[in-house]
Amino acid sequence: DVKVTQSSRYLVKRTGEKVFLECVQDMDHENMFWYRQDPGLGLRLIYFSYDVKMKEKGDIPEGYSVSREKKERFSLILESASTNQTSMYLCASSSLDTLNTGELFFGEGSRLTVL
Amino acid sequence: QKEVEQNSGPLSVPEGAIASLNCTYSDRGSQSFFWYRQYSGKSPELIMFIYSNGDKEDGRFTAQLNKASQYVSLLIRDSQPSDSATYLCAHSDSWGKLQFGAGTQVVVTP
Repeated sequence: DVKVTQSSRYLVKRTGEKVFLECVQDMDHENMFWYRQDPGLGLRLIYFSYDVKMKEKGDIPEGYSVSREKKERFSLILESASTNQTSMYLCASSSLDTLNTGELFFGEGSRLTVL
Repeated sequence: QKEVEQNSGPLSVPEGAIASLNCTYSDRGSQSFFWYRQYSGKSPELIMFIYSNGDKEDGRFTAQLNKASQYVSLLIRDSQPSDSATYLCAHSDSWGKLQFGAGTQVVVTP
């Protein structure tokens, strides 16, 4: 069964802290994505990766960085958390085969609160 | 202007009726369109995709695409309480990146 696992379901951090959000997929997918979801704004793409050690900016990359050292793992990093980064973060993956069908497999999400 | 626009709802639908959801998009070059369903507290899951103008049916769901008018819609026939969810419209670019709308909340009332 397809599985995308995000390391933390709920996090509470303080302004200025460094935050790591981890995502692991067990489907050998090439593509991995990080979205954030906010009420009224939908899902917005932060960063994505089509291969190991490869990363591309999405629509809202400011304040974030990513790391993909292994095919199955894609990490989102907030170098210095701010209150406007309070959000639900969703990791997703897809294979080259599912690229055309638009099927992303999502993790359960990480709800981050920055105080 | 957002790339993908949806009415946020909530759209209240009596059980057994047809729910009609609409989505407009601004990128005339978009070729592929998708509908995702997201239950409260859960992650989105793909329910339909459509590439060609016209209708595509899958069970109780029908997706309709009109590229000239830049809209895509989703019909849910014989709506059930289990259809209560937020429905996200999305399109993809040539890299396979999806742009999502904010979603329409559907509430099916018994």
